[in-house]
Amino acid sequence: QVQLRQWGAGLLKPSETLSLTCAVYGGSFTTYSWSWIRRFPGKGLEWIGEIVHTGSTTYNPSLKSRVTMSVDTSKSQFSLRLNSVTAADTALYYCARGGRWYTLGEFWGQGTLVTVSS
Amino acid sequence: QSVLTQPPSASGTPGQRVTISCSGSSSNIGRNYVFWYQQLSGTAPKLLIHTNYQRPSGVPDRFSGSKSGTSASLVISGLRSEDEADYFCASWDDSLSSWMFGGGTKLTVL
Repeated sequence: QVQLRQWGAGLLKPSETLSLTCAVYGGSFTTYSWSWIRRFPGKGLEWIGEIVHTGSTTYNPSLKSRVTMSVDTSKSQFSLRLNSVTAADTALYYCARGGRWYTLGEFWGQGTLVTVSS
Repeated sequence: QSVLTQPPSASGTPGQRVTISCSGSSSNIGRNYVFWYQQLSGTAPKLLIHTNYQRPSGVPDRFSGSKSGTSASLVISGLRSEDEADYFCASWDDSLSSWMFGGGTKLTVL
């Protein structure tokens, strides 16, 4: 059974950098791509980007200038950094298995609420 | 404004059949697969339908998906109280080079 567990800071001030990590347990880490997705309060979902075990990334063009994803294959972990956050980045952030070439969201992390407030 | 358009709300009584639509364009639904997700309050989204109509293991056959042209639909038959949730469609958009989600449909079981 595949499980994703994520962690990171939940309260940030404007202009700070959001940093989250997701660990994958079970299944193959190198076969699939791995995504970050966020849900805004009371609103919809937004795909942030994806990464594969080689470190190759694809980002949502609307966030590309602020996003960096990285991977640690030895630990089956991948991470998200989003810099210069504002209140508009307040959301529930999820890690998930899949992306452009693999079923998106077959497995999900538990979610991390990130609040940006001064 | 989402690239994929869903009705913001839908409702039905137990046992009824409910259809949730998802309208896109030739750059997303028109040439790529559609996926549907269910998000119960306080939980992570759950994959309901992949590749237009396929159900992952464990998803009841009360849930079915279809696609025609640039639109897709999720049908829930035999509605149950536990189906009350938010439902989202998604598809890759070739023009935007990004996954796009619908705005979500809040399903209420009356």
